[in-house]
Amino acid sequence: DADVTQTPRNRITKTGKRIMLECSQTKGHDRMYWYRQDPGLGLRLIYYSFDVKDINKGEISDGYSVSRQAQAKFSLSLESAIPNQTALYFCATSGVRDYGYTFGSGTRLTVV
Amino acid sequence: QKEVEQNSGPLSVPEGAIASLNCTYSDRGSQSFFWYRQYSGKSPELIMSIYSNGDKEDGRFTAQLNKASQYVSLLIRDSQPSDSATYLCAVNAGNQFYFGTGTSLTVIP
Repeated sequence: DADVTQTPRNRITKTGKRIMLECSQTKGHDRMYWYRQDPGLGLRLIYYSFDVKDINKGEISDGYSVSRQAQAKFSLSLESAIPNQTALYFCATSGVRDYGYTFGSGTRLTVV
Repeated sequence: QKEVEQNSGPLSVPEGAIASLNCTYSDRGSQSFFWYRQYSGKSPELIMSIYSNGDKEDGRFTAQLNKASQYVSLLIRDSQPSDSATYLCAVNAGNQFYFGTGTSLTVIP
């Protein structure tokens, strides 16, 4: 099994719908992150969590919310999806800060 | 000014040549530096990390760090077509990682 699992892998949804992207990890790390990636803009941080009771906004949190259900689970919600939220979304986890990130396989989200 | 800057490329090198990828960062307090490889539509994969000035070699990859000049580089020796990908530089400053936008590398057979 993958260290970081994201579901779904692909999703097409309509404008205005609520959608949840899920992430689970088996690395035992405390820190989890949600990024989106757009062509030419690189990876942009949406939210991050350093433990179950810690949630922090990233660079582009507007229109998104998160829930850290357990050390291993971190979900991202789009309350009312809009077309410019069409992107590739990555969940990542890290341990002590020097060890870098492990990324999930990504969720390709299309909002029509 | 962005935290991490990379030349977006594309960078093209012939098979067997050395590919040189560069990255500069703005936060002098940065302590950890990483190179990720990302194939199109796939997730970034960590290939090198470096924490102190100088060179670090791992197989065909060499990471170079110069904190005084605030740059990190990645050399890929004997480049192969399978090295064709986007390479992301990442820097740890405080509690967050900052990513560059990546350099696209194409290795021509």
